[in-house]
Amino acid sequence: DVKVTQSSRYLVKRTGEKVFLECVQDMDHENMFWYRQDPGLGLRLIYFSYDVKMKEKGDIPEGYSVSREKKERFSLILESASTNQTSMYLCASSRGDRMNTEAFFGQGTRLTVV
Amino acid sequence: AQTVTQSQPEMSVQEAETVTLSCTYDTSESDYYLFWYKQPPSRQMILVIRQEAYKQQNATENRFSVNFQKAAKSFSLKISDSQLGDAAMYFCAYRTGSGTYKYIFGTGTRLKVLA
Repeated sequence: DVKVTQSSRYLVKRTGEKVFLECVQDMDHENMFWYRQDPGLGLRLIYFSYDVKMKEKGDIPEGYSVSREKKERFSLILESASTNQTSMYLCASSRGDRMNTEAFFGQGTRLTVV
Repeated sequence: AQTVTQSQPEMSVQEAETVTLSCTYDTSESDYYLFWYKQPPSRQMILVIRQEAYKQQNATENRFSVNFQKAAKSFSLKISDSQLGDAAMYFCAYRTGSGTYKYIFGTGTRLKVLA
């Protein structure tokens, strides 16, 4: 059974804290993604990675950074958490070839910044 | 840049009835894939159905089918014989057929199923 696992389901952090959201996949996928989900805005891409140590900015990268040191793990970092980063964060992974099109998702992390 | 638009924030359907969720997209590419994902209250995103742009035939998966109109850039999802377990957020998504394979999502439609 394929799996994308996010380290926390719920997280509460204080303003100004450095926050790490971890995501691990066991499918040997090349691509990994971090999305932010907000009501009425859908899923917005923060960053994605198409290989180890390779990353590309998505539509809303400001205030975030990422790290991919190993193929199976993709971390999202909030350098200095702010209340407007309170949201649901979804990690996803997919194969890096044209025909294997399905993206697999983690269960989401609901982050509250107080 | 590609965009995906879902104009129905919320829809309701009676159990056993049929409902259609709308999705339009904008792209200048000819090679791409379209998807419908379901997100139930558990928050786990599940692939419902996918459509390859090069295929004219509409995809079908059991009670779920799509109406893919390539020229109109429309990709609607039809759910037949609706069940209580179909209640969820539904997201339409686009993925290019070349380059970096990132997914672009719409804003979602919340489907309520009435008993």
